[in-house]
Amino acid sequence: SQTIHQWPATLVQPVGSPLSLECTVEGTSNPNLYWYRQAAGRGLQLLFYSVGIGQISSEVPQNLSASRPQDRQFILSSKKLLLSDSGFYLCAWGLGGGTDTQYFGPGTRLTVL
Amino acid sequence: QKEVEQDPGPLSVPEGAIVSLNCTYSNSAFQYFMWYRQYSRKGPELLMYTYSSGNKEDGRFTAQVDKSSKYISLFIRDSQPSDSATYLCAMSKNSGGSNYKLTFGKGTLLTVNP
Repeated sequence: SQTIHQWPATLVQPVGSPLSLECTVEGTSNPNLYWYRQAAGRGLQLLFYSVGIGQISSEVPQNLSASRPQDRQFILSSKKLLLSDSGFYLCAWGLGGGTDTQYFGPGTRLTVL
Repeated sequence: QKEVEQDPGPLSVPEGAIVSLNCTYSNSAFQYFMWYRQYSRKGPELLMYTYSSGNKEDGRFTAQVDKSSKYISLFIRDSQPSDSATYLCAMSKNSGGSNYKLTFGKGTLLTVNP
C-alpha cells in the first residue's frame, strides 16, 4: 500500500530564515506530487505540482520554491520566510489520468514569528 | 463567481442525525467529484469518489451528483461523534487524460454532539 510522509510535523521559524519541508511517498512509482497551503478560512491553495523528476509547475508567484530531486521526493523551500508564509502545508500524491484522486500527507504546521 | 461554492457552516447536529453536506459548481467541465474528511490538525483523507451523475453508497456515506444542476451532496446516516470534522468537496476536469489539478471547496465544519 502507498504511504506519504512529511516532516517536520511542526516548525516555528523567525522571519527571514530559510525553510525546507520534505515529502516522500512509498509504494508507488512516478506519482504526481503536489504542495498545498491551508490557511484558516481560505481553503486549500495549490502551490506547486510535479509530474516527474525535475518538472515543477508553480501555481502562485511567491517567495517559495519546490524541487523534485527523486521520483518520490518533493521538497518545498524558501530562502527568506515572511509572516504571511505561516500556515498548514500539505503534500499530496496522485496518479493523474482518469481518476484524478489525490492522497494527502499528515501536514506540516509552520509558524513564522 | 467562484468555481466551487461550499457553505463553511459550522453545522452542529445530535448523534444519530442524518447530515447533508453540499457543494455547487459553475463549470460544466468538471467530471470527477470527491469528498474528503479532515480532522483537526490532520491531512484530508479521501472519503468518496464519483464520476457520473447518481448516487454512490459506502457504509453510512452516500455521495450524490446532479450534473444538470451542478450540485453534489454527501449524506451521512446515523452520524457519530467521530464524524466531527471538516468535509471538503473536490472536483476535476477531463483534460484528455493529462489533468493534474483538483478544485476544492473551502470545507464545511461538522460537529456531531453525543
